[in-house]
Amino acid sequence: EVQLVESGGGLVQPGGSLRLSCAASGFTFSSYEMNWVRQAPGRGLEWVSYISSSGSTMYYADSVKGRFTISRDNAKNSLFLHMNSLRAADTAVYYCTRSNQNYYYMDVWGKGTTVIVSS
Amino acid sequence: DIQMTQSPSSLSASVGDRVTITCRASQSISSSLNWYQQKPGKAPKLLIYATSSLQSGVPSRFSGSGSGTDFTLTISSLQPEDFATYYCQQSYNLWTFGQGTKVEIK
Repeated sequence: EVQLVESGGGLVQPGGSLRLSCAASGFTFSSYEMNWVRQAPGRGLEWVSYISSSGSTMYYADSVKGRFTISRDNAKNSLFLHMNSLRAADTAVYYCTRSNQNYYYMDVWGKGTTVIVSS
Repeated sequence: DIQMTQSPSSLSASVGDRVTITCRASQSISSSLNWYQQKPGKAPKLLIYATSSLQSGVPSRFSGSGSGTDFTLTISSLQPEDFATYYCQQSYNLWTFGQGTKVEIK
């Protein structure tokens, strides 16, 4: 079964850091581009970051550029999101998603991990 | 940045109704338009990709159309399990989601 499982969320103070992880299974992880998408409470979906299959290319939303870093370990079938200088506005459920190789739609989603930034 | 605008933001409909949701892009995105369904407390689920291609396992009552800047998601006969929030997404230049359309029971 194709599966993505996020972990690492929690409560963090403003200005703090957190690392999210996403464990992939059921498919050849190293062949797929991956993303992080987030959803603030009661709000819509916001794309956060993208990484190519090899890990050589990354993109970020303007709202997180310079503060978040996406990375991956293809040997361990894992995706990461390193989040620094966290703000209240970063409070959200963070989803790990798989991108289709041709049309870039997100065809597999994890269940999400919750990040709360609050003092 | 490409902005995506959905309408309406919410709608009330009855089982069996035909429902149409529209999505407009701030610039041409060719056919790089995808639709997702999200139920409360759950992750989004891909329904339609590349404007009109039905994702495997998605019922045929869902369909998509459009090109350029204007796109439509249609549910031909609304079923109880279709009450949810629907999001469009452009994947032409990075990714942007519409603000969502909540489909509620009338």
